[in-house]
Amino acid sequence: AQSVSQHNHHVILSEAASLELGCNYSYGGTVNLFWYVQYPGQHLQLLLKYFSGDPLVKGIKGFEAEFIKSKFSFNLRKPSVQWSDTAEYFCAVKTAGSYIPTFGRGTSLIVHP
Amino acid sequence: GAGVSQSPSNKVTEKGKDVELRCDPISGHTALYWYRQRLGQGLEFLIYFQGNSAPDKSGLPSDRFSAERTGESVSTLTIQRTQQEDSAVYLCASSPRDRAGNEQFFGPGTRLTVL
Repeated sequence: AQSVSQHNHHVILSEAASLELGCNYSYGGTVNLFWYVQYPGQHLQLLLKYFSGDPLVKGIKGFEAEFIKSKFSFNLRKPSVQWSDTAEYFCAVKTAGSYIPTFGRGTSLIVHP
Repeated sequence: GAGVSQSPSNKVTEKGKDVELRCDPISGHTALYWYRQRLGQGLEFLIYFQGNSAPDKSGLPSDRFSAERTGESVSTLTIQRTQQEDSAVYLCASSPRDRAGNEQFFGPGTRLTVL
């Protein structure tokens, strides 16, 4: 069975710092990749996704992620975080032919003002 | 339009009792998913409904767990003879007619506490 690893479980940053959250998966075939975010007290919502085409994907609120097939990675980045980015971030992977995504454990991000 | 709704938002029950959790998906979404999220853990897949097809129950942890969905409408997740390890947030998500690249739309969850 495939797995999704988010290596950083807790990240604490100051405002304006750069962010990179790691996501690696174990499946070797075609994948669809997602990052979801859960702000305090809110629902999980889509931040960005990769389906095909340009491996550099841009999402909401200045986030981007790069799909590197050779590294089985889909890391999330933001050049300058804000206090409002404090949230839980989840990486998810769907393999070809499956409609059930596998989620990573999540990364808790705290941004100090 | 309205998003995915779940009820109740919180449920406290005693060990051994049965509980029923409800999910109202976004209108027109054919796919519906249930997940369990234990404290500090990721989302654990439970069950998947796609239209009128047979559900994928491969994630249900035991026969105490069951779920139903009528057509493309509401779904209920039932946990019989609850145990303390069932305490978690139960999330429901729906998705438009299934294509692999489609995102999921999540509800607010039901926080279940088993005493």
